[in-house]
Amino acid sequence: QVQLVQSGAEVKKPGASVKVSCKASGYTFTSYGISWVRQAPGQGLEWMGWISAYNGNTNYAQKLQGRVTMTTDTSTSTAYMELRSLRSDDTAVYYCAREGGLLLSGAFDIWGQGTMVTVSS
Amino acid sequence: DIQLTQSPSFLSASVGDRVTITCRASQGISSYLAWYQQKPGKAPKLLIYAASTLQSGVPSRFSGSGSGTEFTLTISSLQPEDFATYYCQQLNSYPPLTFGGGTKVEIK
Repeated sequence: QVQLVQSGAEVKKPGASVKVSCKASGYTFTSYGISWVRQAPGQGLEWMGWISAYNGNTNYAQKLQGRVTMTTDTSTSTAYMELRSLRSDDTAVYYCAREGGLLLSGAFDIWGQGTMVTVSS
Repeated sequence: DIQLTQSPSFLSASVGDRVTITCRASQGISSYLAWYQQKPGKAPKLLIYAASTLQSGVPSRFSGSGSGTEFTLTISSLQPEDFATYYCQQLNSYPPLTFGGGTKVEIK
């Protein structure tokens, strides 16, 4: 079935980097974009950015520009999100989500299970 | 950036109630709006896209309406499994693709 499976929980110190993976299966990876969304404890959803799995084009939220990099590996149908210079307020669950394309007006129809990233000294 | 304001942020309702959640956009977004349901510890689930189109597999008690700047999500008869937090999301222009602040639906 169509699914996105993310890597496991991470604990990082302030100033470190984290790289979260998101492996797709059950569909043609390069036919859809992937967005990353995070959710701080008890808070709402925050869109972080988007990557085209077709050509690698990216679009990042302005507040994360310079700290975030999204990439894909089409040979393994995996998307990656790297966040650098981590701060305590980066502590959150990080989700990858498939953009459903024009048919769904770009809505996110498939989500990964989430990866908890904890930033603590 | 386009801001989305959901109301109410919290509502208490009983099984069988009709529930309506509103999402207002700071500028017109045509029908580029989606609704998601999120249960504790789980990823969000797409309910409605293009403001009013029900995602495959979603029960017909859920419906969406609106265009431009004002949108609603209605649950015609609240079921026990519907107690969750609901988010709207605009897909008209980015970056960023903004979400509303969420509406938590709890059991009265």
